[in-house]
Formats: sequence, structure tokens, C-alpha cells
Amino acid sequence: SQTIHQWPATLVQPVGSPLSLECTVEGTSNPNLYWYRQAAGRGLQLLFYSVGIGQISSEVPQNLSASRPQDRQFILSSKKLLLSDSGFYLCAWSVLRLGNNEQFFGPGTRLTVL
Amino acid sequence: KQEVTQIPAALSVPEGENLVLNCSFTDSAIYNLQWFRQDPGKGLTSLLLIQSSQREQTSGRLNASLDKSSGRSTLYIAASQPGDSATYLCAVRLRKYGGATNKLIFGTGTLLAVQP
Repeated sequence: SQTIHQWPATLVQPVGSPLSLECTVEGTSNPNLYWYRQAAGRGLQLLFYSVGIGQISSEVPQNLSASRPQDRQFILSSKKLLLSDSGFYLCAWSVLRLGNNEQFFGPGTRLTVL
Repeated sequence: KQEVTQIPAALSVPEGENLVLNCSFTDSAIYNLQWFRQDPGKGLTSLLLIQSSQREQTSGRLNASLDKSSGRSTLYIAASQPGDSATYLCAVRLRKYGGATNKLIFGTGTLLAVQP
């Protein structure tokens, strides 16, 4: 069966500090991978998605970047955090199967920027 | 631009009641629609996925319907239990170039509380 891991679970960082959030998927190969942000009182917003190693699509202009160094590893980064980067970050994976492309989500990382 | 709306934003019902959560979307050119459950501080759990060619999907006490022409989906929960308390999110996957995009557009969710 497939599992998805995210770490850390929670993070408190000062403004201007760097960020690295990691997501890994087990039990599947060549998945599509996604980073979402859920801000307080707002819906989930897709930040990045990747269809393969080194292939990153950005959905919204922002202070963050993403990388996919390995097939089942997706990393969200920032060189200098802003207050507005606070939120709940969710990683998800999908595999196009039977035309479905159903997405499955990780447990999330709660980021607070002070 | 696709917009997804969920009404009501919050709902409180006594245990045992049947209930309906609503989701509406502005652009009917969707590939499929997915319902999720989110417990506080947790990730999303996929509940049901309905393809654009389908009218409904069922899983246990859950039944999701889709009326693409009117831009509506409902999630019906039968015999609600306190363990059903969570935020329920719907999301549509856009159709593009005859196929599916990778992008899900989410509603803001309905916070459900089932009172024992």
C-alpha cells in the first residue's frame, strides 16, 4: 500500500529564516506530486506540482520554491520566510490510473512564521 | 475562472440525523469531483471521487451525487455519528485539452459537528 510522509509536523521560524519541508511517498513509482497551502480561513491553494524528477510547475507567484531530487521526494523551500508564509502545508500524490488521477494527502506541516 | 463554493460553512446536528452537504462550481467543464474529510490539524482523507460521466458514488453511509450541468454536487451522510465531526471539502479537477489537468480547485469547506 502507498503511504506519504511529511516532516516536520510543526515548525516555528523567525521572519527572514530559510525553510525546507520534505515530503516522501512510498509504495508507488513515478507519482505526480503536489504542494498545497491552507491558510487560516481560506481554502487549499495549489502551490507547485511535479510530474517527474526535476520537473516543477508553479501555480502562483510567491516566496517559495520546490524541488524533486528523487522520484518519490518533493521538497518545499524558501530562502527568506515572510509572515504571510504561515499556514498549513500539505503534500499530495496521484497516479493516473483508470483515468482517475485521484489525489491522496499527507499529514501536513504547520508552519508559523514570527 | 472556476470557483467552488460550499454551503453551509458550518453545520451542527444531533447524532443519528441524515444530512446533506452542498458544493457548487461555476464552470461545468470538469473532469471529476472529489470529496475529502479533514480532521483538525490533520491532512485530507479522500472519501469519494465522481467522474464527470457519473451521477453518484456510494461508500458505506456516504453518497455523493453530481449534476454537472447545474454545477452542483451533494454529499449525503446517513445516520450521522459523533465520529463524523470534521471539515468536509469538495474539489473539482478541471478538464483541459480533452483530458484532465493536475489541478484541483477546492471549496472552503463545511465544518460539521455531530452532537452525541
